[in-house]
Amino acid sequence: AQSVTQPDIHITVSEGASLELRCNYSYGATPYLFWYVQSPGQGLQLLLKYFSGDTLVQGIKGFEAEFKRSQSSFNLRKPSVHWSDAAEYFCAVGASGGSYIPTFGRGTSLIVHP
Amino acid sequence: DTGVSQDPRHKITKRGQNVTFRCDPISEHNRLYWYRQTLGQGPEFLTYFQNEAQLEKSRLLSDRFSAERPKGSFSTLEIQRTEQGDSAMYLCASSSGTAFQETQYFGPGTRLLVL
Repeated sequence: AQSVTQPDIHITVSEGASLELRCNYSYGATPYLFWYVQSPGQGLQLLLKYFSGDTLVQGIKGFEAEFKRSQSSFNLRKPSVHWSDAAEYFCAVGASGGSYIPTFGRGTSLIVHP
Repeated sequence: DTGVSQDPRHKITKRGQNVTFRCDPISEHNRLYWYRQTLGQGPEFLTYFQNEAQLEKSRLLSDRFSAERPKGSFSTLEIQRTEQGDSAMYLCASSSGTAFQETQYFGPGTRLLVL
């Protein structure tokens, strides 16, 4: 079975600073990987996803993530954070074979200081 | 395309009561998913439908939980004899096509509080 670890429960950055949110996964084969964002009172919105091909994935809102098989990681990055980026971020992994149901990490709460 | 909608947005009930939640997916999306999200955790899969067929259920879905999607459009999730441990956000998502790579679009969720 697949699993996801988001080691940082909270991350605090200043507006305009760069951001990196960590995600490590466990899965025996090539995984499907996702990053979602959840604002207070809102559902989850997909930021980006990786299935195959280029390991650097571009997403919405200026986010990108890089799949590193050797490190079993899929870290999310943004070069310059805006106050509106404050939210909960979830990494998810799906199995590439058979029944695919994503397994989510526990999330990282992003706090943005002005 | 009005997005995934869920009703009600909030529900407070007493332990032992039954509750039912509704999810309206994006029109013509043939896959519909239910998740549960507790405080400080990510969503946990409960069940999913392809059209009207319920294809997979999580072990989290005890006998007190039942989900339906009678005409392959909206879905309902019922919890019978609610317990305090059922307090959570219940999320619905839908996707089109048959490939699992299809993006899941989430609704705003129904927050349940069992007293």
